[in-house]
Amino acid sequence: AQTVTQSQPEMSVQEAETVTLSCTYDTSESDYYLFWYKQPPSRQMILVIRQEAYKQQNATENRFSVNFQKAAKSFSLKISDSQLGDAAMYFCAYLTQGGSEKLVFGKGTKLTVNP
Amino acid sequence: EPEVTQTPSHQVTQMGQEVILRCVPISNHLYFYWYRQILGQKVEFLVSFYNNEISEKSEIFDDQFSVERPDGSNFTLKIRSTKLEDSAMYFCASNLRLTTEAFFGQGTRLTVV
Repeated sequence: AQTVTQSQPEMSVQEAETVTLSCTYDTSESDYYLFWYKQPPSRQMILVIRQEAYKQQNATENRFSVNFQKAAKSFSLKISDSQLGDAAMYFCAYLTQGGSEKLVFGKGTKLTVNP
Repeated sequence: EPEVTQTPSHQVTQMGQEVILRCVPISNHLYFYWYRQILGQKVEFLVSFYNNEISEKSEIFDDQFSVERPDGSNFTLKIRSTKLEDSAMYFCASNLRLTTEAFFGQGTRLTVV
């Protein structure tokens, strides 16, 4: 079974600075998808960014980018020019390409943005 | 922008009572899910639903749980006899294809007292 590990329960960053959230996963599959979801205090889960495992190029979405290291099974999220609105819980999630339809989530990292 | 809608936002129920959590997925989506998040813990998969039947369920999804798509728009989760440990945030999600990201609703906070 796949597992997702987020080793940083909490992180903080100064406004306008850059922060990197870590995620590692365990799988025997070669094709899969990885996601970062943001959960603000409102508790809604919002997709931040997505990465297909077969793509070597790291995904980017405005101020958000990932460092995907397939061999190391690592999928970190970098937030540049941090804003107060980025404060939230961030969940890393794994989705297998075939068969299982469920997302497997990590325990999350609480990000605080200091003004 | 289309979104997944869940009602109610907060439900308080007595232990042993039945609850129904409601969701309206995005209209052209084909796959539907329920996840739950106990306070302070990670989000856990409960069940997936496709073509009017359950396609996958977790160990959490025992006989006390059921899902239904009674019409073309609603997707419901029923808990027959609630327990204290069912208290959690319940998220509905949907997607168009298995390989695309799931869109989540805003969640229903269930409190069992």
